[in-house]
Amino acid sequence: DTAVSQTPKYLVTQMGNDKSIKCEQNLGHDTMYWYKQDSKKFLKIMFSYNNKELIINETVPNRFSPKSPDKAHLNLHINSLELGDSAVYFCASRDSSSYEQYFGPGTRLTVT
Amino acid sequence: KNEVEQSPQNLTAQEGEFITINCSYSVGISALHWLQQHPGGGIVSLFMLSSGKKKHGRLIATINIQEKHSSLHITASHPRDSAVYICAAPLNNNDMRFGAGTRLTVKP
Repeated sequence: DTAVSQTPKYLVTQMGNDKSIKCEQNLGHDTMYWYKQDSKKFLKIMFSYNNKELIINETVPNRFSPKSPDKAHLNLHINSLELGDSAVYFCASRDSSSYEQYFGPGTRLTVT
Repeated sequence: KNEVEQSPQNLTAQEGEFITINCSYSVGISALHWLQQHPGGGIVSLFMLSSGKKKHGRLIATINIQEKHSSLHITASHPRDSAVYICAAPLNNNDMRFGAGTRLTVKP
């Protein structure tokens, strides 16, 4: 069973569109994250959700909005997509008893 | 200066060689996370350690909390070890800073 899953794996879309990426974890973890990995493979945190409460929002444009319908899901919605949004987006989760994070397979977003 | 520095950036080795990747960090609590990212893109957690040494198969991770330094070693390296290895320092319960990664290529 996949612990942290993301859909879709690949997403190609045009500038100006709105898109969502879904993330689900079946580990019973209470904290979930979204990361962006740029073309240089550098990972940066975007959001952290703990018990449905947004904890961190790094300098991310407000076109990006995380939505957590329940503890097992943290979806990422992006409005008015721009070329610079092209990247790989990773979802991750963590249990409160450890700092270790478990990552999803990533979603490669390409904005044309 | 990055908060989490890795060296080397790129590393090429022959199969069977002993590999060492280093990580120094200036932030975070007293723990460090080692991750592996394969060419296919997925990220796998290798170790989370806060003291001493951990071993898993041919992988060994050590950490010196006082010096804020950690090393990842691979013994008897194999081409399937080729990947990007990333160290990350948890800042608190909800934030983490990542190194830029070390791209390892092991040639047969």
